[in-house]
Amino acid sequence: DIQMTQSPSSLSASVGDRVTITCRASQSISSYLNWYQQKPGKAPKLLIYAASSLQSGVPSRFSGSGSGTDFTLTISSLQPEDFATYYCQQSYSTPRSTFGPGTKVDIK
Amino acid sequence: QLQLQESGPGLVKPSETLSLTCTVSGGSISSSSYYWGWIRQPPGKGLEWIGSIYYSGSTYYNPSLKSRVTISVDTSKNQFSLKLSSVTAADTAVYYCARFSGGMDVWGQGTTVTVSS
Repeated sequence: DIQMTQSPSSLSASVGDRVTITCRASQSISSYLNWYQQKPGKAPKLLIYAASSLQSGVPSRFSGSGSGTDFTLTISSLQPEDFATYYCQQSYSTPRSTFGPGTKVDIK
Repeated sequence: QLQLQESGPGLVKPSETLSLTCTVSGGSISSSSYYWGWIRQPPGKGLEWIGSIYYSGSTYYNPSLKSRVTISVDTSKNQFSLKLSSVTAADTAVYYCARFSGGMDVWGQGTTVTVSS
């Protein structure tokens, strides 16, 4: 099974900050990596698919990069509505899947 | 616009079987481009993929749950279902259904299932 890790597990940031979250796979997954945002009481929302493709309707301040085992999600200028928990998900083994443990972004 | 809606009992007794249904509206579950999946989230914890199904009925399960999980599809009703047997308190979670072909781009709102006597 492919295991996913994320770092940090949580971070505090201010509006306007550049934020970077890292995700690592236990084996190479090429670019089969997706990122989600989840707010309390809501379903996850797909932000980035295939490591770097922006899902329709997602603001351009979100970007993704990486391939193989190491990936990053970057928020170029954090906005108030971006405070949430972010999850990576590998889709290399679709229709099987694994999520990372999540990174909570809160207000400094 | 495709929508997914979970339904089922919110309370299940220990050792019994949890049963949920996901109804797909605004599109066909028989699309050859997608799989349909169940994901859960225990209180205060992360997301766990439970399993997936293709419209043809092919199923794929999380190895950690495989012995207790059954996912089925009813294309005539545009629904797919989850059964989880022998539940314990550890199965208390919000259960989501989702469409995916890699990224999970459409999710249901989630339904909370509590396992308690």
